[in-house]
Amino acid sequence: DAGVIQSPRHEVTEMGQEVTLRCKPISGHNSLFWYRQTMMRGLELLIYFNNNVPIDDSGMPEDRFSAKMPNASFSTLKIQPSEPRDSAVYFCASSLSASQHEQFFGPGTRLTVL
Amino acid sequence: KQEVTQIPAALSVPEGENLVLNCSFTDSAIYNLQWFRQDPGKGLTSLLLIQSSQREQTSGRLNASLDKSSGRSTLYIAASQPGDSATYLCAVSNNAGNMLTFGGGTRLMVKP
Repeated sequence: DAGVIQSPRHEVTEMGQEVTLRCKPISGHNSLFWYRQTMMRGLELLIYFNNNVPIDDSGMPEDRFSAKMPNASFSTLKIQPSEPRDSAVYFCASSLSASQHEQFFGPGTRLTVL
Repeated sequence: KQEVTQIPAALSVPEGENLVLNCSFTDSAIYNLQWFRQDPGKGLTSLLLIQSSQREQTSGRLNASLDKSSGRSTLYIAASQPGDSATYLCAVSNNAGNMLTFGGGTRLMVKP
């Protein structure tokens, strides 16, 4: 298995632009998580899905952030409009089920908003 | 709100030394605890998962223990090697949804 796949690996954009990050979870995994990592705040959970349904989005910082999971093999995290403070590494993770199973992380997308 | 603390923030040891990394959490009602390794510029690699009903897990030179009542976990690394140099993160889940709360990590350097 290729593991969790994220694209792009690096994204540089200008303030105000729309950014879309993509994730393909491990095949057969039913839960998908989006995290953000910064030097100041460490790793924070943004949102998680179970069986393609968003369960908890309390970590999403603002309405500028949105996430979708149209099917079991694909999810997107969108920021519109982007701001310099959104610069971070965004990780996607998946697990076999929501509870009792370890999470496997993708390589991350390093986002820089100028 | 769950808070996870890792001490020390950074650690440097000579090769071959046995070492212990510490993780503490404020809410003991956890479902599980997971230890990860993160290399610079890379994603997280899962090392060990301890369910709330377990007291320890072992994988090779790694041993993780869990004491729920005191809100603590330790990661023991035996016979450390330069390849063990990385940041080690612990994370706890407080609900069936497996939403993880992460500690700040311990940056480990093993010198040859």
